Amino acid sequence: ETGVTQTPRHLVMGMTNKKSLKCEQHLGHNAMYWYKQSAKKPLELMFVYNFKEQTENNSVPSRFSPECPNSSHLFLHLHTLQPEDSALYLCASAQTVTLGEQYFGPGTRLTVT
Amino acid sequence: QQQVKQSPQSLIVQKGGISIINCAYENTAFDYFPWYQQFPGKGPALLIAIRPDVSEKKEGRFTISFNKSAKQFSLHIMDSQPGDSATYFCAASKSGTASKLTFGTGTRLQVTL
Repeated sequence: ETGVTQTPRHLVMGMTNKKSLKCEQHLGHNAMYWYKQSAKKPLELMFVYNFKEQTENNSVPSRFSPECPNSSHLFLHLHTLQPEDSALYLCASAQTVTLGEQYFGPGTRLTVT
Repeated sequence: QQQVKQSPQSLIVQKGGISIINCAYENTAFDYFPWYQQFPGKGPALLIAIRPDVSEKKEGRFTISFNKSAKQFSLHIMDSQPGDSATYFCAASKSGTASKLTFGTGTRLQVTL
């Protein structure tokens, strides 16, 4: 595997379910990001981790819970989501938060029913 | 408040034509302006980027033009090809935070035969 991978690629969940999105980067980077991509809206930065420490939370509802156990892995735990949370969730990595370009994964298409 | 405004929302260009996408920013502290290309089912990928010390940067058929006084920058795709059909995002960031990006809303480009 190279670059940034995300699993699953598609996810359908009910509003009462609990699920997790996984991101793994094989680039030796130390910064990782979660974005939400909705139609006709700018990419919304959700969370930023630098060297496993969360450095940014952009007022994301608590039903989204990130976890970064090491610099290569990032999770987004989901629970009690709303239909408006349906979107493409993108993970990205960079050398650090102050250095290097962002490399994006293919995303997880989430549908909340 | 949207800090990076992108237009048009969609664009149809004939093969061989020139595709032009425009972005305007508000924050004068921005000093790094990348463009990302996103194909369906893929994450955004860095296409070309510019810093305000130059007014133009060219890489192959892709050119960024930058107007610091107007706080505008644009992407020109020369000799557009069907394979260029994708969504294009402009972005901006501040010095020292090259990997913390503010994105535009995207332009869906379709190049027809």
